[in-house]
Amino acid sequence: NAGVMQNPRHLVRRRGQEARLRCSPMKGHSHVYWYRQLPEEGLKFMVYLQKENIIDESGMPKERFSAEFPKEGPSILRIQQVVRGDSAAYFCASSPASGQPSYNEQFFGPGTRLTVL
Amino acid sequence: GQQLNQSPQSMFIQEGEDVSMNCTSSSIFNTWLWYKQEPGEGPVLLIALYKAGELTSNGRLTAQFGITRKDSFLNISASIPSDVGIYFCAGQPVKAAGNKLTFGGGTRVLVKP
Repeated sequence: NAGVMQNPRHLVRRRGQEARLRCSPMKGHSHVYWYRQLPEEGLKFMVYLQKENIIDESGMPKERFSAEFPKEGPSILRIQQVVRGDSAAYFCASSPASGQPSYNEQFFGPGTRLTVL
Repeated sequence: GQQLNQSPQSMFIQEGEDVSMNCTSSSIFNTWLWYKQEPGEGPVLLIALYKAGELTSNGRLTAQFGITRKDSFLNISASIPSDVGIYFCAGQPVKAAGNKLTFGGGTRVLVKP
């Protein structure tokens, strides 16, 4: 299965703990995007990364949130000192490099559902 | 930021019916994408549209990129029970940096009791 993989699927944290969400893009894709979805709402863009580069983080909260996409390994979305308002579904998507067919099409993983107690 | 207004917010379908939903924006979009999301899963790409006026089909689904580049619609013909789910439009605004998608609020498709 060459789809976008995310883990864990469910994550429970207490207030003040750290949450780490992982995403492996589809094979052959070099662009990764993170989105957040609250219940009954659409997805909201957070950050767009290429290998070792953050391209657009205009949707990321200024504090406690960070993302990386290292040369080797999955992309990581890190939330420090979680609060109840961070509870949401976090989705990762990937797309091919620019210039390739379907460059503008983003394919989503199954998501990580974060619950902050 | 850009907003996509998607309507209706929810609809009931009866097997065999044709249904339609649409998305509008005050901004011009380069790309329109339609996704379906089922409970506990991520959105699945149904149709991608790249040119104003483009009409594209995927099985019983048909979507169009509006001429003004500010709207798109999705039709489902001869609906079946497995069409139930939430359908999202998403677009890439002309002035957006990078490839970020702006999502509509979704249309929840339910089966008539």
